[in-house]
Amino acid sequence: LAKTTQPISMDSYEGQEVNITCSHNNIATNDYITWYQQFPSQGPRFIIQGYKTKVTNEVASLFIPADRKSSTLSLPRVSLSDTAVYYCLWGDPSNSGYALNFGKGTSLLVTP
Amino acid sequence: GAVVSQHPSRVICKSGTSVKIECRSLDFQATTMFWYRQFPKQSLMLMATSNEGSKATYEQGVEKDKFLINHASLTLSTLTVTSAHPEDSSFYICSARDEGAGSLNEQFFGPGTRLTVL
Repeated sequence: LAKTTQPISMDSYEGQEVNITCSHNNIATNDYITWYQQFPSQGPRFIIQGYKTKVTNEVASLFIPADRKSSTLSLPRVSLSDTAVYYCLWGDPSNSGYALNFGKGTSLLVTP
Repeated sequence: GAVVSQHPSRVICKSGTSVKIECRSLDFQATTMFWYRQFPKQSLMLMATSNEGSKATYEQGVEKDKFLINHASLTLSTLTVTSAHPEDSSFYICSARDEGAGSLNEQFFGPGTRLTVL
């Protein structure tokens, strides 16, 4: 999976919506976009995965424009416990050798 | 989602000793598992891809004789850090790919193992 471009850090207050945008200009046709969350001293946790348009689950929404060269993770009404590092990755999950190459991620700090 | 466990969660050892870390997929089978290393304030770095029944594939710069990987079953991969030195102190994380029917082939990560070499 190729490395991505996303902001190094973001700050938010509790209760706000947070949108983290990631650029992946060289995304390939078979690639999916996946977002992970990591708390300190824990393994990353899968948040959401999508290919195009919009995907929503109980945790977040993922918006992918038609050209798929970027994606936006949307966290509705964040709480203090959402303070974490968020990683955006893309690649072809059907490829058995598909390994995740993590970029620096976005460190989100949520304050009261 | 699927669960991946690691054991031990934390280990402290003397320089020169070997340490084995286990990674298990608890409710699914994984022909492919991955090992990562993460230093403080840094991102995860892929070390190797563990393939059930065959040799592991190591990333450039990772010594295969120092980091021994064995993937003997569809639910267990082990990483052995041989002759550990203080610079090997790090957070080691494994992941397993859920290839089961109905899955998105997503990877699930273990909780990590904190290795400290004195």
